[in-house]
Amino acid sequence: EADIYQTPRYLVIGTGKKITLECSQTMGHDKMYWYQQDPGMELHLIHYSYGVNSTEKGDLSSESTVSRIRTEHFPLTLESARPSHTSQYLCASGGQGDYEQYFGPGTRLTVT
Amino acid sequence: KNQVEQSPQSLIILEGKNCTLQCNYTVSPFSNLRWYKQDTGRGPVSLTIMTFSENTKSNGRYTATLDADTKQSSLHITASQLSDSASYICVVSDRGSTLGRLYFGRGTQLTVWP
Repeated sequence: EADIYQTPRYLVIGTGKKITLECSQTMGHDKMYWYQQDPGMELHLIHYSYGVNSTEKGDLSSESTVSRIRTEHFPLTLESARPSHTSQYLCASGGQGDYEQYFGPGTRLTVT
Repeated sequence: KNQVEQSPQSLIILEGKNCTLQCNYTVSPFSNLRWYKQDTGRGPVSLTIMTFSENTKSNGRYTATLDADTKQSSLHITASQLSDSASYICVVSDRGSTLGRLYFGRGTQLTVWP
């Protein structure tokens, strides 16, 4: 199993709160990704990073932001959570030239 | 438009039986095709990955096939076990960028009954 970690695993929070979803990997991978997945639906890329100080928006528009200050750490922040942000958020990483993407266990976010 | 379509959407089989899941894609230019297993509430875990030149790859009881001409892939599960109950996701990568953009299917939800 890949060494990529996400916290918290589950989060229930009220509307308007600021939240940060943590993602860390110990494989030294340059590429990291955030996906959003609703039940029974495909994963959608919302953010990715090629390396430190590199962040890009993905295919699916998201109000979240990300940062990449350290290679191993790729947190995602929502400044003001809304019920429409309720979803599962999956973090992944991949090495240079590596076909594989290794996924974390995900964070199930519920905004009430 | 780059798309990945999977069938069936869901499948129920008895423990010990075999099954085959299908994946059709329109992603171009093609780089590789992966099958992932995703347990409920968990992240996807890679089962197989195939490039253009490979037409079959096995991982234990899982065997994936790829026909790059017809843009079809299948995942065959042999002698199913209760632990095989999960969503199986077909993912295709293009060669259009260094990112290796992934296109995800919606998955086939497999349930194995005792």
